[in-house]
Amino acid sequence: EAQVTQNPRYLITVTGKKLTVTCSQNMNHEYMSWYRQDPGLGLRQIYYSMNVEVTDKGDVPEGYKVSRKEKRNFPLILESPSPNQTSLYFCASSLGTGPTYEQYFGPGTRLTVT
Amino acid sequence: AQSVTQLDSQVPVFEEAPVELRCNYSSSVSVYLFWYVQYPNQGLQLLLKYLSGSTLVKGINGFEAEFNKSQTSFHLRKPSVHISDTAEYFCAVSMSSGTYKYIFGTGTRLKVLA
Repeated sequence: EAQVTQNPRYLITVTGKKLTVTCSQNMNHEYMSWYRQDPGLGLRQIYYSMNVEVTDKGDVPEGYKVSRKEKRNFPLILESPSPNQTSLYFCASSLGTGPTYEQYFGPGTRLTVT
Repeated sequence: AQSVTQLDSQVPVFEEAPVELRCNYSSSVSVYLFWYVQYPNQGLQLLLKYLSGSTLVKGINGFEAEFNKSQTSFHLRKPSVHISDTAEYFCAVSMSSGTYKYIFGTGTRLKVLA
C-alpha cells in the first residue's frame, strides 16, 4: 500500500531532551516536507526537501533540523525541545518538485513537551 | 507576501443542506489551488485542485470548487452534505514560480448535524 508513515504517533517528552520523529514514504517521491499544525494557525511548513541531500527552510524552521540521506526517509530532529514545540506534526511527500503536485500526508505525530 | 484566508473557522450545517466553505488568497504571482480534508485523527488528503483550464473543478465525495481570479477566491461547495463530511477542510496554494513552499489556510471545521 502506498503510504507515508511516521513514528512515533504520540510522544511526551521533557524540555531539552533530544528527539527524532521518523518519516518514510514508499512511493519513490522526490519532494518531502514537514508541517506543524496548531489550533487557529493551520499548517505551517517547517522544512522541505526536493531531493536527496537537498533541503530548505519553510516558514517556521527555528528549533528543528532535518536530513535527507535517502530518498524515502526524511526525519525531523528536535535537538533541544521546548514547550512551544508542543504540536501536531505531519510529514508529507509528493511525486514531483513542482508546485502542481498534490501532497500525500502521514497520519501525524502528536508531540507534548513538558 | 502570499497568504491564504479562510474566514470561517467553524461551519455548522444540517444534513442534506448545501454548504460553501470560503477561501481567499493573496499572491503577486500565479498560483495553483488545492482543497484538502482532514478527518478526525487522520492526515490530510486531497479533495480537489485547480491547475489551469476550466474554473469549475470537481473533486471526490461530491465536492466542487470554483476559481475566481478577479476575486482571488477558491470557494468549496457541496449541494447536499452527509454526516460523514464532518471534518476540517484546508485551502492551500502553491506558487507558479520561485519557492516550492505551500501555504495553507487556517482551516474550516465543518460540523454536519442530524
